[in-house]
Amino acid sequence: GAGVSQSPSNKVTEKGKDVELRCDPISGHTALYWYRQSLGQGLEFLIYFQGNSAPDKSGLPSDRFSAERTGGSVSTLTIQRTQQEDSAVYLCASSRTSGGETDTQYFGPGTRLTVL
Amino acid sequence: GNSVTQMEGPVTLSEEAFLTINCTYTATGYPSLFWYVQYPGEGLQLLLKATKADDKGSNKGFEATYRKETTSFHLEKGSVQVSDSAVYFCALRTPRQLTFGSGTQLTVLP
Repeated sequence: GAGVSQSPSNKVTEKGKDVELRCDPISGHTALYWYRQSLGQGLEFLIYFQGNSAPDKSGLPSDRFSAERTGGSVSTLTIQRTQQEDSAVYLCASSRTSGGETDTQYFGPGTRLTVL
Repeated sequence: GNSVTQMEGPVTLSEEAFLTINCTYTATGYPSLFWYVQYPGEGLQLLLKATKADDKGSNKGFEATYRKETTSFHLEKGSVQVSDSAVYFCALRTPRQLTFGSGTQLTVLP
């Protein structure tokens, strides 16, 4: 079946601009995660959604970062007033549930963000 | 806090050599453990996992055993191929999100 998809695959923006990154999880997966992969920091957790529960935002690095998930499916990660240190690959993952044997996270191909 | 420490790379091996990539973790309780692989130009793919102590995960000739006593989950393969060249990430689930190691770049030469 279809995997996790993300768009755009590449985004180049100027410092200070806002960007939106999109994630379409695997159909039927109730849990959705955002991670960031950068040279200096490796792979870092950003935010987690599970069904209609309040999201776990504990990994967001600053208040310039926000995310929403509409209708329990598609998610958008928004970065306001982008800075050069925001340059990274942003990865989205989904899982069937958030616990137990079925909690394998499947990753999308990522969006490579470059802030000039 | 929770953390994963991986063997630093890069690792370069000849085809058919034996591979070990060390991974140790620090966590409360007994988290599920994972190895993910990232091939050049591709996204992260689950390679194998283990959900409890003494479990052995295996896939594509790779194996890793969940060792509670040594808090380790070392990745092994008996005979690597050129196509195994990739970056390998060890991870644990804490309790929902994954905490990753820094990744180990593996290059296999023909």
